[in-house]
Amino acid sequence: DAGVIQSPRHEVTEMGQEVTLRCKPISGHNSLFWYRQTMMRGLELLIYFNNNVPIDDSGMPEDRFSAKMPNASFSTLKIQPSEPRDSAVYFCASSLSQGGEQFFGPGTRLTVL
Amino acid sequence: GENVEQHPSTLSVQEGDSAVIKCTYSDSASNYFPWYKQELGKRPQLIIDIRSNVGEKKDQRIAVTLNKTAKHFSLHITETQPEDSAVYFCAASLTMDSSYKLIFGSGTRLLVRP
Repeated sequence: DAGVIQSPRHEVTEMGQEVTLRCKPISGHNSLFWYRQTMMRGLELLIYFNNNVPIDDSGMPEDRFSAKMPNASFSTLKIQPSEPRDSAVYFCASSLSQGGEQFFGPGTRLTVL
Repeated sequence: GENVEQHPSTLSVQEGDSAVIKCTYSDSASNYFPWYKQELGKRPQLIIDIRSNVGEKKDQRIAVTLNKTAKHFSLHITETQPEDSAVYFCAASLTMDSSYKLIFGSGTRLLVRP
């Protein structure tokens, strides 16, 4: 198994631009999580899905952030418009069930200039 | 909601010594406590976990203890090696119905000096 796949691995964009991060969970996993990691705030859960349904989005910073999971093998996290304070590493993780081990993807390092 | 505090923020030990990292949590209903290791520039990876029906769990040089009464849990690494150098995160989770989420501690940067 290839593990959790994220793309792009690095993204540099200018303030105000739209950014879309992509994630492919491990096949068969039914829970998917989006995290943001910064030095200041550590590892924060943004949103998670169970069986493609958003369960808890209380960690989404503001309306500029949105996430979708149109099917069991794909999810996106979109930031529109992006701001410099959104610069961080964004991780996607998946698990076989709620409460099971979470497997993290390699992350997307986002830099907003 | 759940809050997890982790100490120390940095820890430096001599190779071969033991390292202990401690975490406390606030929600007494939390019942799953994983530990993740993150090497520089890499993804967090699970190294050991414990559930609330167990007080201690060991895997080779790594052990985790849980005290539900005091609401704290600890990671113990014995016979440390330079490759143990990384950032370690504890987490707590309430796993029931749709309220499952991992709340992470702030991390401990462990340096093992050769």
